[in-house]
Amino acid sequence: AQSVTQLDSHVSVSEGTPVLLRCNYSSSYSPSLFWYVQHPNKGLQLLLKYTSAATLVKGINGFEAEFKKSETSFHLTKPSAHMSDAAEYFCVVSDLRLTGGGNKLTFGTGTQLKVEL
Amino acid sequence: DTAVSQTPKYLVTQMGNDKSIKCEQNLGHDTMYWYKQDSKKFLKIMFSYNNKELIINETVPNRFSPKSPDKAHLNLHINSLELGDSAVYFCASSPRDRGFYEQYFGPGTRLTVT
Repeated sequence: AQSVTQLDSHVSVSEGTPVLLRCNYSSSYSPSLFWYVQHPNKGLQLLLKYTSAATLVKGINGFEAEFKKSETSFHLTKPSAHMSDAAEYFCVVSDLRLTGGGNKLTFGTGTQLKVEL
Repeated sequence: DTAVSQTPKYLVTQMGNDKSIKCEQNLGHDTMYWYKQDSKKFLKIMFSYNNKELIINETVPNRFSPKSPDKAHLNLHINSLELGDSAVYFCASSPRDRGFYEQYFGPGTRLTVT
C-alpha cells in the first residue's frame, strides 16, 4: 500500500526566509510524487511533480523538491518565502503499480504554511 | 477559460434531501475523479471514471452515485443526505487513467447539511 506522511501540520516562517515542508512516503514500487497547494477557499493547484526523471524537481513560484529514495523523502523547499505563499500544502503519492484500475492519488494530511512579516 | 468547473460552489441543504453536484472539464482528458475533503482538510478519493466507465469506487456509501454522461462530465448525486456528508467535494481530471499524470482540480463545492 502507498502512504504519505507530512511531518509538520503547521509551519511558520518570516517573509524572506527559507521554507522547508517535509514529506515522507511509502510505496511498494516506483512512485510518482506531487506537491499541491490549496489557498484559502480555493481548489488545489499543482506545484511540481516527480516522475522518475531528475531527482531535483523545480516547480512554480520558486518551489522545488528533491526525491531521495534512500530516505523515502520528497521535501518541498523555497529559498525565500513570500506572503502570498501562505496556504495549505499537500504531498501526494501515486503508485503506478497500483493503477491496474485508475490513477489513484494518496494525499498527506497537509501542512499549513504561515508567513509572517 | 476554466479547465475544471463545478456547480454549485456552495450547497446548503437539510438532512434527508437529495442533491447533485456537476463537474465539467474542457481539457480533453479521459479520466475524471471525485474527492471528499473533510473538516480537517484530509482529501480522499471517492470515484474515478475513465471514458464514462467506473474504474475506482472507494467504499463510498451507495447513497452516492456518480454519473458520467460523456467523458467531459462527471456528476455526483447524493441521496438521503446526512450530517456527515458535510464537506468540500472536489472534481478532478487527468489525461489518462494510468501513468504519471497529475490531476487538475476544480474549485470545489462546499456542501453543508443541517
